[in-house]
Amino acid sequence: EAEVAQSPRYKITEKSQAVAFWCDPISGHATLYWYRQILGQGPELLVQFQDESVVDDSQLPKDRFSAERLKGVDSTLKIQPAELGDSAMYLCASSFKERVYGEQFFGPGTRLTVL
Amino acid sequence: GDSVTQMEGPVTLSEEAFLTINCTYTATGYPSLFWYVQYPGEGLQLLLKATKADDKGSNKGFEATYRKETTSFHLEKGSVQVSDSAVYFCALSTGGTSYGKLTFGQGTILTVHP
Repeated sequence: EAEVAQSPRYKITEKSQAVAFWCDPISGHATLYWYRQILGQGPELLVQFQDESVVDDSQLPKDRFSAERLKGVDSTLKIQPAELGDSAMYLCASSFKERVYGEQFFGPGTRLTVL
Repeated sequence: GDSVTQMEGPVTLSEEAFLTINCTYTATGYPSLFWYVQYPGEGLQLLLKATKADDKGSNKGFEATYRKETTSFHLEKGSVQVSDSAVYFCALSTGGTSYGKLTFGQGTILTVHP
C-alpha cells in the first residue's frame, strides 16, 4: 500500500541551528500539505502546495520557515534559525488534486526537539 | 474563521463499553467533516467522513452523523476494544480559498482497559 514518507523521524537540535524535513507524497498526489502539531493540540496547516505552487502559506512564519516543492513531487520544509517554541511534530500529508474535500493521507511525522 | 471543538479528555473506558466523543464546529459555507485517528507511534489515519448534512459516516464499528442544525459530528461506537485506544481528531474542510485544508480539533485521548 502506498504511503507518505517522511524523514527524519526524530530530530534534536539546538536553538539558532537550521533544520530541514523531507516529505515524499503518494505517487500521483498533486496536493501536498505541511502541518505542525504541538503536543496536546490538533495539527495546524503551515503550507499547502498544488503541484509546485504554494496555494496557502498564511500560517507559515516566513521569517524563519521556508518550504519548497521544486518538481511538484517531494518537498522540503526548513527552519532557520530554530527556536525553543518550534518543538513539535511536523506532519506531511497528500491528496489527489481533484478530491479537494476528500481524504488526506498522512506520513508518520518528524518529531523536532529544540534545546 | 473555521474552528472545531472536541470534548475534553482523556476518556477511559472498559472493554465493551459505549463510546461517545462530542465534536462541534463553526464554519463558513458547507464543510465536509472527518474523524481521524492516531494510534501510538503512527501517523493520522482517516476513520470516517461525511460530506453533506444528514450523511452518516461509518467504519470499523464507529459512526458519526453530520448534523447541520446543531453543527455537530459526534463519534460513537457501541462496544469499544482495547485496540481502539488512540487519539481521535475531529476535523473539517471547506472550499473557497481554503483549498481543502483540514481544520482540526484538539484531539481526545481514548484509553480502553480489558
